[in-house]
Amino acid sequence: EIVLTQSPATLSLSPGERATLSCRASQSVGSYLAWYQQKPGQAPRLLIYDASNRATGIPARFSGSGSGTDFTLTISSLEPEDFAVYYCQQRSNWPVTFGPGTKVDIK
Amino acid sequence: VQLVESGGGLIQPGGSLRLSCAASGFTVSNNYMSWVRQAPGKGLEWVSVIYSGGNTYYADSVKGRFTISRDNSKNTLYLQMNSLRAEDTALYYCARDSRTEGSNYYGYWGQGTLVTVSS
Repeated sequence: EIVLTQSPATLSLSPGERATLSCRASQSVGSYLAWYQQKPGQAPRLLIYDASNRATGIPARFSGSGSGTDFTLTISSLEPEDFAVYYCQQRSNWPVTFGPGTKVDIK
Repeated sequence: VQLVESGGGLIQPGGSLRLSCAASGFTVSNNYMSWVRQAPGKGLEWVSVIYSGGNTYYADSVKGRFTISRDNSKNTLYLQMNSLRAEDTALYYCARDSRTEGSNYYGYWGQGTLVTVSS
């Protein structure tokens, strides 16, 4: 099973700041990595798939990069609605696995 | 696209429960459909998937105890859960693949149904 590690566990930032979230895989997943956003009491929302492709309706301030074992989700300028938990997920190998999440909270 | 889960509740260890996910706006049988769970205050865990062709796969933690299925006439996905354990306590989400051809990314989610396993 591929283990995904996310860092930091918590990121405290102010609106307008840039957020950089990391996801590292225990072995290569190629580009088969997605990012999700989850707000309290809500289901997750797909943001990025195949490492760098924005899902339908996702604002351009969200971008993904990386391949192999190291991936990054960048939010260029935080909006108030972006404070949430972010999960990475790989689909390269069975079983599909998720990272433990990074919480982005308001500083 | 809408997914509405039901069937959760409080159940004793060793008991059984069947979750349902009623879909609208698309055809369940034409898509990869999954169950993903989230223990209280914890992260996401993939549980099971049924492919459009009918193949099914399970996480090791539920293999042999859970069965995923669908009723095409009702456009509904199910998860039969037997021999439930305390560690199965979670919010269970029904999720549709983001692509019709299948990608194992989850583009559409229900709001979840809570399963609590406790005596």
